[in-house]
Amino acid sequence: DTGVSQNPRHKITKRGQNVTFRCDPISEHNRLYWYRQTLGQGPEFLTYFQNEAQLEKSRLLSDRFSAERPKGSFSTLEIQRTEQGDSAMYLCASSPEAIYIETQYFGPGTRLLVL
Amino acid sequence: GDSVTQMEGPVTLSEEAFLTINCTYTATGYPSLFWYVQYPGEGLQLLLKATKADDKGSNKGFEATYRKETTSFHLEKGSVQVSDSAVYFCALSWGYQKVTFGTGTKLQVIP
Repeated sequence: DTGVSQNPRHKITKRGQNVTFRCDPISEHNRLYWYRQTLGQGPEFLTYFQNEAQLEKSRLLSDRFSAERPKGSFSTLEIQRTEQGDSAMYLCASSPEAIYIETQYFGPGTRLLVL
Repeated sequence: GDSVTQMEGPVTLSEEAFLTINCTYTATGYPSLFWYVQYPGEGLQLLLKATKADDKGSNKGFEATYRKETTSFHLEKGSVQVSDSAVYFCALSWGYQKVTFGTGTKLQVIP
């Protein structure tokens, strides 16, 4: 068990560019979550997958954001036409399918800076 | 909607001091409650949890009791160490659904 991994760990981009982040969950974890954390705040929920199905999206996830999990394993989060307000830490978490398991396991995050 | 309120930091304590970080929640019903910890340069880690009223979660000397009467889940530790310096997040969730976090409390323990 190598834990949840995220790539890249850091990303600096210019306003208006597109960026894509990748999350590899713990093996056999069916559920995958994306959160955003801004400085001095707690993480805020963005979206959630069970296997390849995206089951919930937050209102924080504007039309410029899209997340996929095509084969039910890794996931990508893309931000189009980045804005300075998108600068944040993007966290991925995963959990197994058993309904009594509530713990989410978090990755180290991808820190995005939009100039 | 659901929300979590925790005391603002930073909290600065001397080594071996007693720690309390207050946390209250607003929710309809009885969600599961968590404390997560974020050490400098690392990802969020689950510290402890409680899934029903009067449950006590404990780990690494930290404890928190689920109090439905006061809708609270205060974090305590009898004797903090320098290595406990981190940001602590109180959180709630309903089963496998999204986690709702508080804003975090930074703890600094000085020798």
